[in-house]
Amino acid sequence: DGGITQSPKYLFRKEGQNVTLSCEQNLNHDAMYWYRQDPGQGLRLIYYSQIVNDFQKGDIAEGYSVSREKKESFPLTVTSAQKNPTAFYLCASSQGFANYGYTFGSGTRLTVV
Amino acid sequence: QKEVEQDPGPLSVPEGAIVSLNCTYSNSAFQYFMWYRQYSRKGPELLMYTYSSGNKEDGRFTAQVDKSSKYISLFIRDSQPSDSATYLCAMETGGSYIPTFGRGTSLIVHP
Repeated sequence: DGGITQSPKYLFRKEGQNVTLSCEQNLNHDAMYWYRQDPGQGLRLIYYSQIVNDFQKGDIAEGYSVSREKKESFPLTVTSAQKNPTAFYLCASSQGFANYGYTFGSGTRLTVV
Repeated sequence: QKEVEQDPGPLSVPEGAIVSLNCTYSNSAFQYFMWYRQYSRKGPELLMYTYSSGNKEDGRFTAQVDKSSKYISLFIRDSQPSDSATYLCAMETGGSYIPTFGRGTSLIVHP
């Protein structure tokens, strides 16, 4: 079955450590996205990539970094510069523009202690 | 004023009720309208999308767009406890990679 795989489902890290969240898709979609979801805040865009080796900052990119070396993969690194990293992180993909909707992964819950 | 407004709820209804979930928006350029369903601790899944005004039906779900009022609705007939989830609306002008999401409405259908 085609879809998006995010791993791990739960992640715990100590404050000050960088951590990388994995996102892999086998839908052959060109565009991929990272969102952060906090209670009462809705979805906030961190980074997105329209094509391999290219990506753009979203609304809350500070403290995060991404790479897009392969079409199937779009990992997100949460750096120690991110002030409040504990959140639910969602990866998504789309075939071209977003008007026909995204396919989301099942999310990674990151807790920093 | 936010571009897309959605009441967070929770909306609690008895099983079998007709549910109406709504979003209002301010950007008249929006042309594509989507509804996502998100179960607890899961990613959202696309439920329905519509283009421009009118109704679209899929089983127990009906999406309605009223562009003159800048108002969209999702109706759920014969609601079931398995419909309990957060429902997010999203909209897009066409030609963009980034839709504008509502914050979501939490729906609880109790037996």
